[in-house]
Amino acid sequence: GAVVSQHPSRVICKSGTSVKIECRSLDFQATTMFWYRQFPKQSLMLMATSNEGSKATYEQGVEKDKFLINHASLTLSTLTVTSAHPEDSSFYICSASAGQGFTEAFFGQGTRLTVV
Amino acid sequence: AQSVTQLGSHVSVSEGALVLLRCNYSSSVPPYLFWYVQYPNQGLQLLLKYTTGATLVKGINGFEAEFKKSETSFHLTKPSAHMSDAAEYFCAVSRNSGNTPLVFGKGTRLSVIA
Repeated sequence: GAVVSQHPSRVICKSGTSVKIECRSLDFQATTMFWYRQFPKQSLMLMATSNEGSKATYEQGVEKDKFLINHASLTLSTLTVTSAHPEDSSFYICSASAGQGFTEAFFGQGTRLTVV
Repeated sequence: AQSVTQLGSHVSVSEGALVLLRCNYSSSVPPYLFWYVQYPNQGLQLLLKYTTGATLVKGINGFEAEFKKSETSFHLTKPSAHMSDAAEYFCAVSRNSGNTPLVFGKGTRLSVIA
């Protein structure tokens, strides 16, 4: 089956620093990747959609300057949380889609970010 | 716009009893429907999905769900609960393509009592 690898699985960083999360499709080319955020004991909310080689499309209320998304290749998308603050602490999860002919996108394992 | 409503944020069943988790959706286009399970501090695991065709969908670990267009429902069932089924369950909807994002319900936490 299709495998999406997300790294790191857990990260703790100091307030004011930046953190990069990687999402890789290991055995297929991902034309589109999605980034979601999950607050404790809540559901997943879409943050942004990225297409390879294009700028990401952010959902309303998501700060594009804080959450930088890069989708430079068909197998890698990155989410960088810039100048992180404790309120950015959350579970971030990506999913990757191989294109229109596929019925689902495949999820990474998620990243638990804790900002101290 | 699409939306998902999961009735009951917490469901508790006895081991061996029927599991029924309810999901209703709203979609202006033919939907794709999904059920995912999430164990604590882990990612999402796909249980089953409905795209087209047979409305009764069988998934992993003995779960199944039936797409009822007239009721806009996609309830998840399992005949006999196991302790290992205790987890958070999410129903999700997307437009009829894997290239579109998912809209998730708020989730239902399933507890299984010995």
